[in-house]
Amino acid sequence: DVVMTQSPLSLPVTLGQPASISCRSSQSLVHSDGNTYLNWFQQRPGQSPRRLIYKVSNRDSGVPDRFSGSGSGTDFTLKISRVEAEDVGVYYCMQGTHWPPKLTFGGGTKVEIK
Amino acid sequence: EVQLVESGGGLVQPGRSLRLSCAASGFTFDDYAMHWVRQAPGKGLEWVSGISWNSGSIGYADSVKGRFTISRDNAKNSLYLQMNSLRAEDTALYYCAPLNRDYWGQGTLVTVSS
Repeated sequence: DVVMTQSPLSLPVTLGQPASISCRSSQSLVHSDGNTYLNWFQQRPGQSPRRLIYKVSNRDSGVPDRFSGSGSGTDFTLKISRVEAEDVGVYYCMQGTHWPPKLTFGGGTKVEIK
Repeated sequence: EVQLVESGGGLVQPGRSLRLSCAASGFTFDDYAMHWVRQAPGKGLEWVSGISWNSGSIGYADSVKGRFTISRDNAKNSLYLQMNSLRAEDTALYYCAPLNRDYWGQGTLVTVSS
């Protein structure tokens, strides 16, 4: 089974400063169709999750351009160029490459304001 | 407007069963694989089960395999999760989502307790 490992667990950030979250997979996420199905989700306190990024680096509609995704193979990064107060929450990576039979979420990274 | 409405949650004793439903609208339901994702209180997101658009591919997390059964009815735009032999550790908010689009409901809470 694919294991998704995120770091750090907690990320205190000063408003206006950048933030970076790492996600590593135990197996390559390159699908046989050539795509890499690595998504990033944001979950604000008390809310349902929201997808930010799909296939490594594509922003969903309405996602501010301060969010960016990068990486390849087994190593991926979500960056926030300048953290705003509304960015507080937990961020998850998720692999969809090995579905079927399984999807896997990372353990989450909590972003908070210093 | 896209809507995913989960229902069927509640308080149930260990060892008993529960059936969750998810009513989808506002998008072409049978274009998408659908998934159940859960979140235990204060914990991260956990993928539970998924089903392809035509029910030809089905997968389960190891934690629920053999106890939970996913199904869908495309004619009714509905997704289901039959949960048997429930355990305390199944207590969580259960979401249905396609995961390859940014569509989420509010979830339905399942509490397993005597």
